Amino acid sequence: AQRVTQPEKLLSVFKGAPVELKCNYSYSGSPELFWYVQYSRQRLQLLLRHISRESIKGFTADLNKGETSFHLKKPFAQEEDSAMYYCALKKTSYDKVIFGPGTSLSVIP
Amino acid sequence: SAVISQKPSRDICQRGTSLTIQCQVDSQVTMMFWYRQQPGQSLTLIATANQGSEATYESGFVIDKFPISRPNLTFSTLTVSNMSPEDSSIYLCSVGEGGSYNEQFFGPGTRLTVL
Repeated sequence: AQRVTQPEKLLSVFKGAPVELKCNYSYSGSPELFWYVQYSRQRLQLLLRHISRESIKGFTADLNKGETSFHLKKPFAQEEDSAMYYCALKKTSYDKVIFGPGTSLSVIP
Repeated sequence: SAVISQKPSRDICQRGTSLTIQCQVDSQVTMMFWYRQQPGQSLTLIATANQGSEATYESGFVIDKFPISRPNLTFSTLTVSNMSPEDSSIYLCSVGEGGSYNEQFFGPGTRLTVL
């Protein structure tokens, strides 16, 4: 079965430090991968998708098929990045989204 | 993008009763999803509700416990039946269109506490 793992439940970094939120997935095909973010008192929203290869709010994520990973990175963390981050996977375009357990990022001023 | 509203935003219910959660979308969408997010946990898909067909339930969820209606392309309801304290969760409505890498949009959630 398809599965998404995020090994860190909590991650704390200092402002200005680099941050990496890890995500690994198990699926033998070529999945669609996403990062969703939930800021305090806001609803869950899309941060980025791997196909677009864009940087959103300074975050990037590279799909590594060999390691089946899709880690989220940002070179300099900001306080406003503090939030809950979910890695997510879809097997195909019309399939359901499977969410990882989430990582709570706290950026210390 | 789609704007989703849910009613109620929160409720406290007694064991054995039922609660119906409403989800309204500001545009017509094909695919609607209901998720549960238990305290400290990730999102778990309960069912997919497409207009004009029976809802498709995920493993561990059954229609008798979580009946779903989808009368049109902008509205759906989820009922949590015969509630127990284990049903205390946030219930989220989500919509999305098929197609490559299409975004899913989420409602604000309904926070349910069962005493």
